[in-house]
Amino acid sequence: GESVGLHLPTLSVQEGDNSIINCAYSNSASDYFIWYKQESGKGPQFIIDIRSNMDKRQGQRVTVLLNKTVKHLSLQIAATQPGDSAVYFCAESPSGGSNYKLTFGKGTLLTVNP
Amino acid sequence: NAGVTQTPKFQVLKTGQSMTLQCAQDMNHEYMSWYRQDPGMGLRLIHYSVGAGITDQGEVPNGYNVSRSTTEDFPLRLLSAAPSQTSVYFCASSYSGTPRQYFGPGTRLTVT
Repeated sequence: GESVGLHLPTLSVQEGDNSIINCAYSNSASDYFIWYKQESGKGPQFIIDIRSNMDKRQGQRVTVLLNKTVKHLSLQIAATQPGDSAVYFCAESPSGGSNYKLTFGKGTLLTVNP
Repeated sequence: NAGVTQTPKFQVLKTGQSMTLQCAQDMNHEYMSWYRQDPGMGLRLIHYSVGAGITDQGEVPNGYNVSRSTTEDFPLRLLSAAPSQTSVYFCASSYSGTPRQYFGPGTRLTVT
């Protein structure tokens, strides 16, 4: 999951396994959460989002879980593939008029071994 | 459409030089923003704009200026580059009312 400091948390999985990437967010007033994937040398790419009135949302091979009680967000990737290797960021946005602003976590490096 | 485009892709500056990082989007998004990404620091918001003629500061605005004269373009200016501004810079845009932002490919800037 996310952590403070200079070294990225890392997760190494075998191809075909399921991956779970965790994120602890800080603002209990955050209304909207997004997961981004960033491949080496590229910009962040949107994966999936969830609003605070939901606790689960599914996409294609991905599921996001939100636990507001403990301010925890997770991204589950099913049947992980080598192309899933990247840094994954969670981002949170407050409710109200400033809902454009995103605060990013520091990222988790996912490595998929063939 | 091309989405969010940024130029240049790479740039090396000497301390004290000035330059402008270009960002353009063709999705008619109202909201545009600039982030910098440093190792272990995630992405930090520099400046943002909710529409043409409107800009505001983010988390780390010092040393950077922006303007938004059109919906499509949002340039970032470094007036006097410093080594601390060595970073990768990303521009992003989104529709009004949603935080789901789309990112450009980035500009890698080195200040010596």
